[in-house]
Amino acid sequence: GAVVSQHPSRVICKSGTSVKIECRSLDFQATTMFWYRQFPKQSLMLMATSNEGSKATYEQGVEKDKFLINHASLTLSTLTVTSAHPEDSSFYICSARVRLYPEQYFGPGTRLTVT
Amino acid sequence: AQRVTQPEKLLSVFKGAPVELKCNYSYSGSPELFWYVQYSRQRLQLLLRHISRESIKGFTADLNKGETSFHLKKPFAQEEDSAMYYCALARGDYKLSFGAGTTVTVRA
Repeated sequence: GAVVSQHPSRVICKSGTSVKIECRSLDFQATTMFWYRQFPKQSLMLMATSNEGSKATYEQGVEKDKFLINHASLTLSTLTVTSAHPEDSSFYICSARVRLYPEQYFGPGTRLTVT
Repeated sequence: AQRVTQPEKLLSVFKGAPVELKCNYSYSGSPELFWYVQYSRQRLQLLLRHISRESIKGFTADLNKGETSFHLKKPFAQEEDSAMYYCALARGDYKLSFGAGTTVTVRA
């Protein structure tokens, strides 16, 4: 149980376009989902926290207009990278948790390459 | 501000030898600490929570508030323990701050 999926696993897009990444909790309802970014050989950096039915909260230094997050249901959160640039190329990972439990269950990640 | 430090980027041990991964933290509140593991080509998964005080796959970790440490230990390393290990600290609403990670290689 507690499986989180991400789609797509890899995406290549041209500079200036937008790309959407989906994060789904497959067998549980996630009250909170988190979005992380991971650069090569570096640790995970929390970008934003997404609660179902409310606005996402962003970590300091993360542009909310650049990284749009929607958590429309208890099983789905989406991250849209708007007007992508090569510096947005990275590995994006989502995680999900259930209320009252501290564990986060991680998705497999999405490799974004902006050309 | 909270901070998690894993001083060793790489750790190589022989099979059957003890292994210890260091983790130090700084946090003004009451910390909740975790160890996550990432095996090759797999997603990040929870290994241990300090609250549980359990042993998973032979690993244990004790929270030492005096030394602000949460080191991960296993008395006899196995080849299948080769992986990337992250120490993480939970802030409010269980937002996680991760350490830089330690890559463990267990040699036969």
